[in-house]
Amino acid sequence: NAGVTQTPKFQVLKTGQSMTLQCAQDMNHNSMYWYRQDPGMGLRLIYYSASEGTTDKGEVPNGYNVSRLNKREFSLRLESAAPSQTSVYFCASTTGPVGKTQYFGPGTRLLVL
Amino acid sequence: EDKVVQSPLSLVVHEGDTVTLNCSYEVTNFRSLLWYKQEKKAPTFLFMLTSSGIEKKSGRLSSILDKKELFSILNITATQTGDSAVYLCAVDGAYSGGGADGLTFGKGTHLIIQP
Repeated sequence: NAGVTQTPKFQVLKTGQSMTLQCAQDMNHNSMYWYRQDPGMGLRLIYYSASEGTTDKGEVPNGYNVSRLNKREFSLRLESAAPSQTSVYFCASTTGPVGKTQYFGPGTRLLVL
Repeated sequence: EDKVVQSPLSLVVHEGDTVTLNCSYEVTNFRSLLWYKQEKKAPTFLFMLTSSGIEKKSGRLSSILDKKELFSILNITATQTGDSAVYLCAVDGAYSGGGADGLTFGKGTHLIIQP
């Protein structure tokens, strides 16, 4: 039981390049989330998926797209990376519908030059 | 817009001291409040609180929620160097994050335990 896994762990991009961050969970959770964490800003929600086949915008969705490929996997895509997207990205998934005890992946550190 | 404010933002104490971390919130349709510990990487879950006045305990850590005054505290007794971390408070409300589902996080309290 690996919990929530993310790949890659670290990535360097040039401005304008694209990439996809992968997230998978093996806990049979319905809901999955993408957050970014910046110094002094705390964790901010980018997108979430309440169930397979549905996705919704969070607090800071601009510049990102997501795909809920199946119940296990939720990917985050940067179509044209910008330096402002330099951050640590966390994927999370949750248990039952009442009270969101979120389980986090180890994070992806992204540097956009 | 939902808001979570943690205090202090940073705290340095000596091993063996007791610390109290604070979290106040404003949220529409409150469902729960969660505490996480974040060391070098991902946050790890500590407590989830949904009811006022019921203390949750795990070893030297405990937490309690006051839904009338809209705050929670996290206590750590007999602190150890391994308690050094950022402690995050998050609130789950029906309209967290400006209309989106998900948690609204505070900025965290950076706790340093000196030997």
